Amino acid sequence: GAVVSQHPSWVICKSGTSVKIECRSLDFQATTMFWYRQFPKQSLMLMATSNEGSKATYEQGVEKDKFLINHASLTLSTLTVTSAHPEDSSFYICSASSVRYYEQYFGPGTRLTVT
Amino acid sequence: GQQLNQSPQSMFIQEGEDVSMNCTSSSIFNTWLWYKQEPGEGPVLLIALYKAGELTSNGRLTAQFGITRKDSFLNISASIPSDVGIYFCAGNTNAGKSTFGDGTTLTVKP
Repeated sequence: GAVVSQHPSWVICKSGTSVKIECRSLDFQATTMFWYRQFPKQSLMLMATSNEGSKATYEQGVEKDKFLINHASLTLSTLTVTSAHPEDSSFYICSASSVRYYEQYFGPGTRLTVT
Repeated sequence: GQQLNQSPQSMFIQEGEDVSMNCTSSSIFNTWLWYKQEPGEGPVLLIALYKAGELTSNGRLTAQFGITRKDSFLNISASIPSDVGIYFCAGNTNAGKSTFGDGTTLTVKP
């Protein structure tokens, strides 16, 4: 149980375009979803926390107009990177938690490359 | 903000050896979790600890929640090549967000 999927697993886009990444909890209802960014050989950097039906809470330094998060249902959250630039290239990982909110179940990640 | 100090940063061991890594913090956490991440994948939850002093095992893995609630350790016994990866500790308060350590990269030589 507690499976989280992420789509796409990798994407290459041109500078200036927008990219949407989906995160789904497949076998449980996720009251909270988290979005992380990870640089090579580094730890996970929390970008934002989203609860179903409400606005996401962004971490300090994360531009909410650039990284749009929508937690549309208890099984789906999306992250849209708007007007992507090469410095947005990174590994983006989502996680989901339910009643036991401290246990996070991670998706497999999305490798974004902006050219 | 809260910070976790995870050590060691990396380990190179021989297959069959035992491994020990730990996390310490100046802050108190209500929950400690240990994750493993393999290249190009998301982290996978290994062990979750909910009470100070708790000792929990998952196969060859054993983790403990420190009595002071400011530290935790993870032991891996009789390591095998598939144990390679990055191990992260994470602490939670009641706010719901996890604070992650910087990870311990484990390399196991056959």
